[in-house]
Amino acid sequence: ETAVFQTPNYHVTQVGNEVSFNCKQTLGHDTMYWYKQDSKKLLKIMFSYNNKQLIVNETVPRRFSPQSSDKAHLNLRIKSVEPEDSAVYLCATGAGNTLYFGEGSRLIVV
Amino acid sequence: GDSVTQTEGQVALSEEDFLTIHCNYSASGYPTLFWYVQYPGEGPQLLFRASRDKEKGSSRGFEATYDKGTTSFHLRKASVQESDSAVYYCALSDSFASALTFGSGTKVIPCLP
Repeated sequence: ETAVFQTPNYHVTQVGNEVSFNCKQTLGHDTMYWYKQDSKKLLKIMFSYNNKQLIVNETVPRRFSPQSSDKAHLNLRIKSVEPEDSAVYLCATGAGNTLYFGEGSRLIVV
Repeated sequence: GDSVTQTEGQVALSEEDFLTIHCNYSASGYPTLFWYVQYPGEGPQLLFRASRDKEKGSSRGFEATYDKGTTSFHLRKASVQESDSAVYYCALSDSFASALTFGSGTKVIPCLP
């Protein structure tokens, strides 16, 4: 049963464009995350957001920024995409130590 | 920092074969360990977790035992089925904002015997 919803599922864009991915969770959890999954299936944490406190993985380029309107939403904005940004972006929410993931948003940069 | 090392790449085996995916971890303190499974077109989902030494987690015929001595949490299944075709991730709870650190993922490919 899906409780973390991501849109769009798939997006193709050109280098230099701006892209946003949306994420909504219905589990009532306090913490949300964005992970990047590359073509080799490696999963890397990008951001954690809890009660307006944002924690950023220092390896994430500054063109990435999370945006939250309330604790149920955490969107991901990429200001000017690069070819290496092609990946699947996974939103997750957490309670205790367990994470619940959305289905992912695949970005293809041409 | 904390890290997870698991069987690299993919494992192809016949249906009903015994499956083992190795997982070793490096962490300060006493992390919780997890196995996640990702089916095609879906996000990863929790298979099970274990929080203390010698604790066994299990689900859907899969099992793993937390071994603090060898820093391992190997995934095993006695008889793999076609429906087990997926990518399996070993993970541990991290000090980074309660996020999880994942291993590189292992793709399981069951084949007809």
